[in-house]
Amino acid sequence: KNQVEQSPQSLIILEGKNCTLQCNYTVSPFSNLRWYKQDTGRGPVSLTIMTFSENTKSNGRYTATLDADTKQSSLHITASQLSDSASYICVVSARQAGTALIFGKGTTLSVSS
Amino acid sequence: SQTIHQWPATLVQPVGSPLSLECTVEGTSNPNLYWYRQAAGRGLQLLFYSVGIGQISSEVPQNLSASRPQDRQFILSSKKLLLSDSGFYLCAWGRTTSSYNEQFFGPGTRLTVL
Repeated sequence: KNQVEQSPQSLIILEGKNCTLQCNYTVSPFSNLRWYKQDTGRGPVSLTIMTFSENTKSNGRYTATLDADTKQSSLHITASQLSDSASYICVVSARQAGTALIFGKGTTLSVSS
Repeated sequence: SQTIHQWPATLVQPVGSPLSLECTVEGTSNPNLYWYRQAAGRGLQLLFYSVGIGQISSEVPQNLSASRPQDRQFILSSKKLLLSDSGFYLCAWGRTTSSYNEQFFGPGTRLTVL
């Protein structure tokens, strides 16, 4: 069964600190993996997208890694800011007919001052 | 540039009442369109998707229906709402390219059924 598991479920860090969010998936055949940021009450916004041939991609203070062999991805946030407080969702697309994406439940990050 | 709109932003409806949520996309033609529901503490669940006018695919059989009367308009409906229909409804549009199945989300509608 295609699944995406994220950890931790929630995380609280101090402003300025770094953090890493994890994503494990069992989607096959794999097409690509993306990380979304979703502010409370808003729609998700894409941060990064990676295919199986890409193992790292950055977007400002956000750096995503992908290990297609172990089927793991991480999202590293550097020098966190209060505005980073949000839910971060890992989404995997399967390389098959149709347009289905498999969504993780997200990690809720709270950055405090 | 492309933009996606949803309305209303919030909605409170009694059980048994009808529902109509609207989504429109600007700045692109023949997009793929999607309706998702996000329940508290759960991941996004794909409800419907459409690859063209009048073409609707349902992912989860339920109390809801979708229609696409125009190329860039997607409507989510119900004849009689249930308590379990409460949630955050997101519309998304996308294009299928050789590598990505990129989807762009709207601002969402918060539906509370009482």
